[in-house]
Amino acid sequence: DVQLVESGGGLVQPGGSLRLSCVASGLTFSRYWMSWVRQAPGKGLEWVANIKQDGSEKYHVESVKGRFTISRDNAKNTLFLQMNSLRVEDAAVYYCGRSALAYALDIWGQGTMVTVSS
Amino acid sequence: EIVLTQSPGSLSLSPGETATLSCRASQSVSSIYLAWYQQKPGQAPRLLIYGASSRATGIPDRFSGSGSGTDFTLTISRLEPEDFAVYYCQQRGSSFGQGTKLEIK
Repeated sequence: DVQLVESGGGLVQPGGSLRLSCVASGLTFSRYWMSWVRQAPGKGLEWVANIKQDGSEKYHVESVKGRFTISRDNAKNTLFLQMNSLRVEDAAVYYCGRSALAYALDIWGQGTMVTVSS
Repeated sequence: EIVLTQSPGSLSLSPGETATLSCRASQSVSSIYLAWYQQKPGQAPRLLIYGASSRATGIPDRFSGSGSGTDFTLTISRLEPEDFAVYYCQQRGSSFGQGTKLEIK
């Protein structure tokens, strides 16, 4: 089965850091662009970042630039999101996704919850 | 940055009817890069349409996409009870529209 499994979410204080992971199985991870998308409680989807197959290109939404960094380890089939200087407004469910069809996300993980509160 | 605006914000229809959802871009988007997703409460989104009009694997032909340039449409024919959900458009794997909630009338 093709599967993406996120982990690393939790409760953190404003200004703190978290590192999210997304492990892929059942697919050739290194062949695909990968993305992080978040969803605040009761809100819509927000694209956060994506990364090229070899990690040579990375893009982040303006609101997280300088604070979040997407990366990947193709040897371990794992996608990461390093989140620093977290803000209350970063609280959300974070999903990872595979871009296989003209950047469309055809495979999604189940999400990991990030709560930012003092 | 390309902004996607979806309309209507919510839509109330009965099973068997046809839903027409709109996604308008602030500047021209290549059709190749326009996708539609369905999301149900507590679930991850599911890809419905990519390349503006191609159905993803396993998506019934009741779902169809069309459009070009700045105006795109998702049409759901013969609504089934399981179709009532929130729908999002996305361009080039980045920005999403704000969503359209399809509710049972």
